[in-house]
Amino acid sequence: GIQVEQSPPDLILQEGANSTLRCNFSDSVNNLQWFHQNPWGQLINLFYIPSGTKQNGRLSATTVATERYSLLYISSSQTTDSGVYFCAAYGSSNTGKLIFGQGTTLQVKP
Amino acid sequence: DVKVTQSSRYLVKRTGEKVFLECVQDMDHENMFWYRQDPGLGLRLIYFSYDVKMKEKGDIPEGYSVSREKKERFSLILESASTNQTSMYLCASRRQGVSYNSPLHFGNGTRLTVT
Repeated sequence: GIQVEQSPPDLILQEGANSTLRCNFSDSVNNLQWFHQNPWGQLINLFYIPSGTKQNGRLSATTVATERYSLLYISSSQTTDSGVYFCAAYGSSNTGKLIFGQGTTLQVKP
Repeated sequence: DVKVTQSSRYLVKRTGEKVFLECVQDMDHENMFWYRQDPGLGLRLIYFSYDVKMKEKGDIPEGYSVSREKKERFSLILESASTNQTSMYLCASRRQGVSYNSPLHFGNGTRLTVT
């Protein structure tokens, strides 16, 4: 089945810095989602992005499906951005199952 | 906004107890899912349901069962809880679009401890 890999596994930033998180997938995907899991465990839907670029405030995401990767950009990071960022992909076999990466743990220091 | 509500935020149960985790969504979504999340293992799919009274095994169904009697509610059942089922349980739902192309929405999670 499809494999989803995220990098880096851990990231420490100073408040105000920018960062890029990467998600690679091993096969064609129908769609891709980015989530943020806050320190209380809640998974927040950030982007649902099959291709192209979307922006939401300080966050933006780009998916290049033909090259099998997606990027999540965080600009002017804040301490509330801390947590784990997951990407998850829908495989092309249309089983409806979402395959998650292992996550990137981000810590933003004040 | 989509709301997925899990009945308990924290739960402590004893080994051998039958445990029910409840999940309700308010957006008339067809598909619902149960995941568990463990350190170092990521999110793993336990069971999912395409619609009422339908269920499919995920990657780790052993020791669990599910019930979907109404569209808005998806219950996860631990028939006889064991300590290795101590975990964070996450429920999710989504509208069944074309080719399953619609975003997944998660509840707040239930931290279950089995002693």
